[in-house]
Amino acid sequence: QVQLQESGPGLVKPSQTLSLTCTVSGGSISSGSYYWSWIRQPAGKGLEWIGRIYTSGSTNYNPSLKSRVTISVDTSKNQFSLKLSSVTAADTAVYYCARDHEWLDGVYYYYYMDVWGKGTTVTVSS
Amino acid sequence: EIVLTQSPGTLSLSPGERATLSCRASQSVSSSYLAWYQQKPGQAPRLLIYGASSRATGIPDRFSGSGSGTDFTLTISRLEPEDFAVYYCQQYGSSPRITFGQGTRLEIK
Repeated sequence: QVQLQESGPGLVKPSQTLSLTCTVSGGSISSGSYYWSWIRQPAGKGLEWIGRIYTSGSTNYNPSLKSRVTISVDTSKNQFSLKLSSVTAADTAVYYCARDHEWLDGVYYYYYMDVWGKGTTVTVSS
Repeated sequence: EIVLTQSPGTLSLSPGERATLSCRASQSVSSSYLAWYQQKPGQAPRLLIYGASSRATGIPDRFSGSGSGTDFTLTISRLEPEDFAVYYCQQYGSSPRITFGQGTRLEIK
């Protein structure tokens, strides 16, 4: 059974770059028709999609964060990573990684996030 | 950008009652692109429904999804104590631009 685990610093200074890694276990990051997404959630608030990557390296980003986000994949380590630059206090949140499933049933494409990491809290503060 | 508006913001019900949660999109969404998630405090979201009406693996049949176009519904037929949580709808738009609703909090009355 595939599991995801986020890792990275819990505290980042304003204007610096937030860097997180998601390690995939129980399966290969390269198998199947999966994208790999990052989502965040400020305390007491809703979910915001940050972006995703396919194992080919193709990426999609939330337009509102696109100028500051880079998502990359390392298939040899079964990991994918998030970098968010020029952070401010507004970037303080729980950050989740998730498996983003895309599949075709012959007629329709279906999309959903079926496996999530437990989340890691990142605080932006000096 | 497609905006998803969930209602009500908070729903207060008792165990055994039926819950009906609404998700309205600002423009038409393909049903196969619409999913529902449950989130309990301190936990990651859990996939409940995909394709607007298909239950994810291991999800009890008291959970059902319906709808099309701009109006989607998550129904919990008989509430169990463990169902009290926050529920989010999600859609995959063009580009793609993945968005979530703001959530409905289902609380014990």
